[in-house]
Amino acid sequence: LAKTTQPISMDSYEGQEVNITCSHNNIATNDYITWYQQFPSQGPRFIIQGYKTKVTNEVASLFIPADRKSSTLSLPRVSLSDTAVYYCLVGASGSARQLTFGSGTQLTVLP
Amino acid sequence: NAGVTQTPKFQVLKTGQSMTLQCAQDMNHNSMYWYRQDPGMGLRLIYYSASEGTTDKGEVPNGYNVSRLNKREFSLRLESAAPSQTSVYFCAGRLGGLKNEQFFGPGTRLTVL
Repeated sequence: LAKTTQPISMDSYEGQEVNITCSHNNIATNDYITWYQQFPSQGPRFIIQGYKTKVTNEVASLFIPADRKSSTLSLPRVSLSDTAVYYCLVGASGSARQLTFGSGTQLTVLP
Repeated sequence: NAGVTQTPKFQVLKTGQSMTLQCAQDMNHNSMYWYRQDPGMGLRLIYYSASEGTTDKGEVPNGYNVSRLNKREFSLRLESAAPSQTSVYFCAGRLGGLKNEQFFGPGTRLTVL
């Protein structure tokens, strides 16, 4: 399983765009990149998944450069309710085998 | 449509006691998972079931057993609880296919004294 490295914590202010970068230098050809969000006392929630270039959904965008050794989760105009831990996971899509959760990035949105 | 449900929500055990954590899903998930999360840490996989009738060890299986009773239910058993098993336990399900989206239950907070 590809190892990922993320910042331990980040602070932002309401209304700003937040970018969280994840490093995954040994990503394999068939690996996808998946991001989850976790609030205190809750299970993680899927945010977005991508393989290359850019993916966008109603809550976030995921930017993946051509070498795929890193990825950036972009949250537009964050609010206080976006305060959470964000996990970057890398693994083969379609495999039942678990994707490894690292320690994640604690995002704190300030008023 | 309840999604993924877990029982109990809270449990306190004494060292050496046994118990079973129950998980059920009504989302037609093929794969199901059990994780533990210690304070300030990420989730660690205990066991998973790729499909009904199969189970496999994850990262931290020692001290646990699982049963995939049917497609809906996946239970986790602690045969002889130890204080090191104090944690929050999450069950999750995954439909299958190319999307690595897992749906998590609300968790069971277990304390072993």
